[in-house]
Amino acid sequence: GQNIDQPTEMTATEGAIVQINCTYQTSGFNGLFWYQQHAGEAPTFLSYNVLDGLEEKGRFSSFLSRSKGYSYLLLKELQMKDSASYLCAREDDKIIFGKGTRLHILP
Amino acid sequence: DAGITQSPRHKVTETGTPVTLRCHQTENHRYMYWYRQDPGHGLRLIHYSYGVKDTDKGEVSDGYSVSRSKTEDFLLTLESATSSQTSVYFCAISESTRDRGGRWPVNQPQHFGDGTRLSIL
Repeated sequence: GQNIDQPTEMTATEGAIVQINCTYQTSGFNGLFWYQQHAGEAPTFLSYNVLDGLEEKGRFSSFLSRSKGYSYLLLKELQMKDSASYLCAREDDKIIFGKGTRLHILP
Repeated sequence: DAGITQSPRHKVTETGTPVTLRCHQTENHRYMYWYRQDPGHGLRLIHYSYGVKDTDKGEVSDGYSVSRSKTEDFLLTLESATSSQTSVYFCAISESTRDRGGRWPVNQPQHFGDGTRLSIL
C-alpha cells in the first residue's frame, strides 16, 4: 500500500504480548483502521483510531500518534487463533491498506 | 455478520474472455467497493460506488469497469481478462455517517465479502 509501512512478518509465543507497528504519511490523514485476516478468509474489522491515544478492546488495543504518523496494534495473552495477518489502513479521502503483517504464534 | 454475497466464489477462465463478478448486499449500505489482493501488494482498491449509478476509480482501475444499477448490487467486469488479473477479489460495504460531498464515509469500518478467487490462464 502506498505510504503505509508495517513489518512483513512477526513471530510471538502463546500467552505473550506482541506489538505490530504501522507508519503512514500524515498529509490529509483522517483516521487509521486495523483489520485481521486469517488465511483464505476475508478481512474483519478490529479498530479505528482518529484521536491520539490508546483504545482498548479486550485483549486488543490500538494506539495512534497523529503528529508522528504512527500507530500500533497491541495483542495481549496471545492465543493460537491470533495467527493471522494484520492490516493497517489509512483513511483520507479514500482508504489505503498496508501490505499486512503476518503474525505467527508458537506454542 | 454483514450480509454480503460474492459470486462466483471461484472461477477459471482464459485470457481474452469477459468476466463479471457480482457483489450483493442486504444491508442497504450506501458505499460499495471492489478490491484485489495479491501477495506482496496487499489489498488494492479497484473501483468504488457511493450510490446508485455513482462510481469512481481506485488505485488500480485499468482493465476494469463497474456498474451499480441497484443499491444492493455492485458488478465488476473485466472486459478482456489478462493473466495479470489473476487474483483474489473482495467486495466491501460501509455505512455513511457524514456525507462529504458524496465522497468517503468516516468512522464506519468496511465489511468484506468472502472473496472470489479468479484464475486467468
